[in-house]
Amino acid sequence: EIVLTQSPGTLYVSPGEGATLYCRASQSVGHNSLAWFQQKPGQSPRLLVYGASTRAAGIPDRFIGRGSGADFTLTISGLGPEDFGIYYCQQYSSLPRTFGQGTKVE
Amino acid sequence: EVHLVESGGNLVQPGGSLRLSCSASGFNFYNYDLTWVRQAPGKGLEWVATIDPYATRKYYVDSVQGRFTLSRDNAGRSLYLQMNNLTDEDTAIYYCVRETFGVLDSWGQGTLVTVPS
Repeated sequence: EIVLTQSPGTLYVSPGEGATLYCRASQSVGHNSLAWFQQKPGQSPRLLVYGASTRAAGIPDRFIGRGSGADFTLTISGLGPEDFGIYYCQQYSSLPRTFGQGTKVE
Repeated sequence: EVHLVESGGNLVQPGGSLRLSCSASGFNFYNYDLTWVRQAPGKGLEWVATIDPYATRKYYVDSVQGRFTLSRDNAGRSLYLQMNNLTDEDTAIYYCVRETFGVLDSWGQGTLVTVPS
């Protein structure tokens, strides 16, 4: 099982600032099969990035996913009030699919 | 527009059973793998199970293997999760999710399953 560790646990950011979230895998994620999701309170998760760096439909270009192998990042530039919430990384290269524990951006 | 609507969540006693349903619209249902992901109250996301388009392959997380069973009705555009021998550790919101080449790209709003300790 691939274990994903996200850091930091909580990120304190002011509107307009940038933020970088980290996701480290316990082993290499095949084919960079790594996705990022955003979840706001009381809502379902929303896909932001897949394939480590491809933005999902409708996701603004201030969300940038990078990385390969076992180390991945999600950078959000110019945070707006709508960007605060919990962000999860997830690997889909092997079973069981696994998620990181989440980074709360507030 | 892709639309996934879960139903069937309820309060159930330990050891009991429940059947969750997911009704889909807005896409060619029979072309996609479908997945259940759950989220315990105040906790993170956990992949539960995935079924391929013709139900020939089903995959489960170890903690539900042997207790949960996936099925689907392509004609009726519905996905099901039969959950047996429930414990308090199964308490969670259960999300129905469409997969596109492994990517969890569309999520339902979830249905809450509560199993008291």
